[in-house]
This record gives sequence, structure tokens and C-alpha cells, in this order.
Amino acid sequence: DAKTTQPPSMDCAEGRAANLPCNHSTISGNEYVYWYRQIHSQGPQYIIHGLKNNETNEMASLIITEDRKSSTLILPHATLRDTAVYYCIVRVAVDMRFGAGTRLTVKP
Amino acid sequence: EAQVTQNPRYLITVTGKKLTVTCSQNMNHEYMSWYRQDPGLGLRQIYYSMNVEVTDKGDVPEGYKVSRKEKRNFPLILESPSPNQTSLYFCASSPIPLLADLLEQYFGPGTRLTVT
Repeated sequence: DAKTTQPPSMDCAEGRAANLPCNHSTISGNEYVYWYRQIHSQGPQYIIHGLKNNETNEMASLIITEDRKSSTLILPHATLRDTAVYYCIVRVAVDMRFGAGTRLTVKP
Repeated sequence: EAQVTQNPRYLITVTGKKLTVTCSQNMNHEYMSWYRQDPGLGLRQIYYSMNVEVTDKGDVPEGYKVSRKEKRNFPLILESPSPNQTSLYFCASSPIPLLADLLEQYFGPGTRLTVT
């Protein structure tokens, strides 16, 4: 799996968009970008994934650059319950490797 | 409800006393996996299984055993627990689709183990 780099922590104001960046400059052509989050000490939760195109679901949007070397997870209207550690993972196989992630704190 | 369950959720034990943490999923997933999570080290994979009777080591398998006799169950066994195995443990499962798309893993609620 390609290595990912994420900022260790970010803050966001409640109701504003949270933009979480991820660098994956060594990603290969068949590797997908996945985002998970972990709220406190609960099990990680799937958010979204993509290969080349931008993706959107009910939780978030994923923007992948044209060269696929980086991506951004967007939470359009962050709430206090979105405070969590967000993991960016690139993978092609079912196996998964988690990095340190970004600790997002949403503040009132 | 589709879910991954783990038992027990909390366990305090002593060094050397064998223990088993159970994991069960009701989604008919082929793939199951165990992770441990420690402060500053993130989630690290212990063992995984691609299907019944097929298991493989992850990144930190030492001191652990697993078995996969049935598709739905994937117990984690600590034959002789030591204090360095004090950690938060997560079980996860996933289908193995024909294509790589949507390899979403479902995680259990976690088991907090303390070995004294």
C-alpha cells in the first residue's frame, strides 16, 4: 500500500466545512483512496472512497487531484459529533494499513 | 442488524493466564482481521483471515493465535498474556468482492484488555 501523510491535528468551527488533506505521492494506478474515522475509542467507521473521480455521499465529499498524489476529505457542515481521528488509506487489496491520522476537533 | 460483535468488552487479567477474545460477524464476510491500538502507535494488524481455515500474520502477530473454523467467528487467543499486550483490540470483517472497489471494513466495538 502507498504511504500517506496527514497533518496530526486540525480544528474546525461548528457549522463550517472541514477540509482534511492527505498526501499519497507514491500511489499506484490501481490503488483506491479510502477514508475512515474513529470517534474516541470506538471502532473505525468507513466514510468514503474513490479512485480517480471526486465522490460524494451523505457523510462527506472526496476530492482527488488529477495526478492522484493527494486528496481532500470535506465535511461540508461540521458538527461537534464529527470530532474524531480521520484516517486516509490507499490500498488495492482487502488488507488495510492505518497511519496516525488527523485528529479533527470541531469547536462550538 | 449487520454487525461485528466482540466479547468481552473489558478484561483485566494476570500475566500467563490464557484468554480468548471472541469475534463474530453476521454479514457472511469472507475476510476477518484483528487489530490492536496503542497510544502513539495507531492501529496495527495482528492476524487476518481470507476465509475459513485460512489465516495469516499481520504486522504484530507475536504472542497471539487465531483460528477460523467457521466463517462467522474469528477468536483471538493469548496463550500466555504479558503486560505489553495491554491494549485496545478491534476485530473487523469485510467481503472480498471480485473487484477492488468498495472494500469497506466493518469494525467491532473494541475490547480493552489489561494484563497485570
